[in-house]
Formats: sequence, C-alpha cells, structure tokens
Amino acid sequence: GQQLNQSPQSMFIQEGEDVSMNCTSSSIFNTWLWYKQDPGEGPVLLIALYKAGELTSNGRLTAQFGITRKDSFLNISASIPSDVGIYFCAGGGTSYGKLTFGQGTILTVHP
Amino acid sequence: GAVVSQHPSRVICKSGTSVKIECRSLDFQATTMFWYRQFPKQSLMLMATSNEGSKATYEQGVEKDKFLINHASLTLSTLTVTSAHPEDSSFYICSAGDLYGNEQFFGPGTRLTVL
Repeated sequence: GQQLNQSPQSMFIQEGEDVSMNCTSSSIFNTWLWYKQDPGEGPVLLIALYKAGELTSNGRLTAQFGITRKDSFLNISASIPSDVGIYFCAGGGTSYGKLTFGQGTILTVHP
Repeated sequence: GAVVSQHPSRVICKSGTSVKIECRSLDFQATTMFWYRQFPKQSLMLMATSNEGSKATYEQGVEKDKFLINHASLTLSTLTVTSAHPEDSSFYICSAGDLYGNEQFFGPGTRLTVL
C-alpha cells in the first residue's frame, strides 16, 4: 500500500537544540497527524492538521500542513530529555478513517 | 484527547493456544476501531478495521481466521489470536477513530509472546 516518506530516520541531538522532521507523500491527504511513541507504549497524538497551509503549535511543537497537501513537517524547539521517543507522521481523511503512517523518526536527546 | 485502554498489557502463552485482547474507548463511543501490529523499531502495520455491529475489514495478507475481531459495542473491540505460534509474537495496538474519521486515539498496546 501507499506509504509516507519520513525523514530523518533517526536524530541524535544535544538538549536545548531544535529539531525538525518531515513527511512527504505521492498522494494527497486531507489531514496530517503527528504522534509520539514512548518505548512499550501506544502512540500519543501531538498535533492534528486539517487545512492545507495550516501552521499549528502545541507548546514547543510546531507543525505545518503543506500547501500541496502532500507533505508536513514537525519542529520541536529547545529539546529536553523527555522528548526522546519515536515520532510518526500519519496522513488521513481519505479512506474510511484509515491512517497511513511514516516510518518514524527516532529521537535521542543527550543531556 | 480521548482515552483508550487495552487489556492485557502483556501476555505470554504456549504455542497453539488462543489469546484475546480487549480494546475499550473509555470516554467516547467509537464506531470504528483499528488493530495494528508493530515489530521492534518499525512503523505501525494496520491489520484490520473494526466497525461496530458488522464484520471487520482485513488488510491484504492478514488472515481473518487467525485474527478474529469482534466489535460488539461502541466502546469495545476484541482481537483474538487463534492457535498462536511464535511468529505471532509482536506488539499489538488498537485505536479508536473519532466521529469524523480524521483522528485516531491509541491504546497502550499489548505485548504478546508465544513460546
């Protein structure tokens, strides 16, 4: 099936640095979602985007819905150790509520 | 966000036995629930879409007779792994879809180990 291309696959950063990750698709989505997954847990919804061009913030997180509806990015500012985890993008709003997930970005933050 | 629970959180069973995993939406009614499987350091793989009161829709390659799904109420869906084998060992996660089919809220997952 279709898949989103999420990059980078992994990031190793120092505490306090900013982080940026993105997803691209060959298909259009009506919604873009960003999730964070801690080890051994289910994904937690961070930000949901519904309109092309939309820029939304949630604390230190900022995400944008690309104008072409085929991409999205997530920025994390001033990273802290608890930001460690796997971040997934997901495209949706097209097929009976199904989501298409990116491969994930593994984030490691060094204190 | 909405709260989704899963039970059990982890289960170890012998090969050949069946295991049932429950997924509950605690604070909203979910017409649609989803079941995923996840291998270590990989993304979520959708197994099936579960609709309340009707048969589940399985993704290509997922055996419906092996992974039985029941969605008897708007707050409960169950996944039964029948005649489990070691290759079925994995992390199984359910999610509940919102009313508009735009967002999904995930349970904490169930770690299945088949010996």
